[in-house]
Amino acid sequence: DAGVTQSPTHLIKTRGQHVTLRCSPISGHKSVSWYQQVLGQGPQFIFQYYEKEERGRGNFPDRFSARQFPNYSSELNVNALLLGDSALYLCASSQPRGGVNTEAFFGQGTRLTVV
Amino acid sequence: RKEVEQDPGPFNVPEGATVAFNCTYSNSASQSFFWYRQDCRKEPKLLMSVYSSGNEDGRFTAQLNRASQYISLLIRDSKLSDSATYLCVVNFYSNSGYALNFGKGTSLLVTP
Repeated sequence: DAGVTQSPTHLIKTRGQHVTLRCSPISGHKSVSWYQQVLGQGPQFIFQYYEKEERGRGNFPDRFSARQFPNYSSELNVNALLLGDSALYLCASSQPRGGVNTEAFFGQGTRLTVV
Repeated sequence: RKEVEQDPGPFNVPEGATVAFNCTYSNSASQSFFWYRQDCRKEPKLLMSVYSSGNEDGRFTAQLNRASQYISLLIRDSKLSDSATYLCVVNFYSNSGYALNFGKGTSLLVTP
């Protein structure tokens, strides 16, 4: 039974470029969340999608956008990359119950380096 | 004030020791609580959910005090393999919508 899968695992981009990160949730999970983790910090919430609708958005600039597809997979897009966008990007899969977030399961992450 | 705050660490303990981690959260409307474990350069993995009644899983015991907005994790009989960063996680609804909010993590090193 596949867990959360993310692609690519590593990526190097130059400043000003655009990047698309992809995530497939655990089968049966309808919610996908995205997090950014820089070295020495805990993951910071970027977006949550549930049933293809945005359910939450963290304190990130408009350069960050995301969407969820009918099969519940998701993409995170970042435009006009800055050096400070270098981080581990984590996707989490969950199945909320009664509107409440339950435990989330993470993919292995995409390590983005902006040079 | 950060929404989830943890002991800064690092904690260096010998094998067999008991170690306790503490965490406080700022949003009294928080709905669910978790401890995650993260190994170096890996993704966080769920260690356990935390309930008001307290819960235990083998050597691990988690406690939640809603009145004090305080969460704890106790590890008994520490093993070398327990060395990792432990993340306190709180879920609540805010202006940002629903989100899991993570502490910065507390680093544990168990030594022989």
